[in-house]
Amino acid sequence: DVKVTQSSRYLVKRTGEKVFLECVQDMDHENMFWYRQDPGLGLRLIYFSYDVKMKEKGDIPEGYSVSREKKERFSLILESASTNQTSMYLCASSSTKGQAGGRVRGQPQHFGDGTRLSIL
Amino acid sequence: SQKIEQNSEALNIQEGKTATLTCNYTNYSPAYLQWYRQDPGRGPVFLLLIRENEKEKRKERLKVTFDTTLKQSLFHITASQPADSATYLCALLGGGYNKLIFGAGTRLAVHP
Repeated sequence: DVKVTQSSRYLVKRTGEKVFLECVQDMDHENMFWYRQDPGLGLRLIYFSYDVKMKEKGDIPEGYSVSREKKERFSLILESASTNQTSMYLCASSSTKGQAGGRVRGQPQHFGDGTRLSIL
Repeated sequence: SQKIEQNSEALNIQEGKTATLTCNYTNYSPAYLQWYRQDPGRGPVFLLLIRENEKEKRKERLKVTFDTTLKQSLFHITASQPADSATYLCALLGGGYNKLIFGAGTRLAVHP
């Protein structure tokens, strides 16, 4: 089974701090994603990466950056934390390889259990 | 803009009945639609994927339909059990190869 591990389940930080959220997957997936989940708004994509050192902005990238130096690890960075970044953060990974070895669209995403981040 | 709507109100049903959840979308023609289950304090877990050329997909007690004319997917759980209580999310392929757009989810409560 695919395992996506997020470094912390709960985190409390102060306004203005630089915050790092780490995510590791063990299935050699090409794609990794960072979402935030807020009540009534569902999952919103912050950034995603389709290869090492590659990244693309999602729907709400402002105030965040990412790093992918190794295939298995994708980090989310809050440059200067603010109270409106208090949320549940979810990391996910997916493959683009089909069973026959070709590229396949729309593969399921595998999620970690999230980090509940509070900014005071 | 692209929009996915799921019933925001919780669905309460009796054990043994069939639960039906709805996912509607606008301004969009997705090639794939996926359903996920999310338990409190956990990440979503993938359940089923249905392609635009498939009308229906089944997996054990789960059934998904995909009507591209109505721009709607229905998710059914037959013979529901209290253990099926969770929030169910639908997601559409949002462009490119791998970007998904998620609905806000519908909470299902199955009562004994």
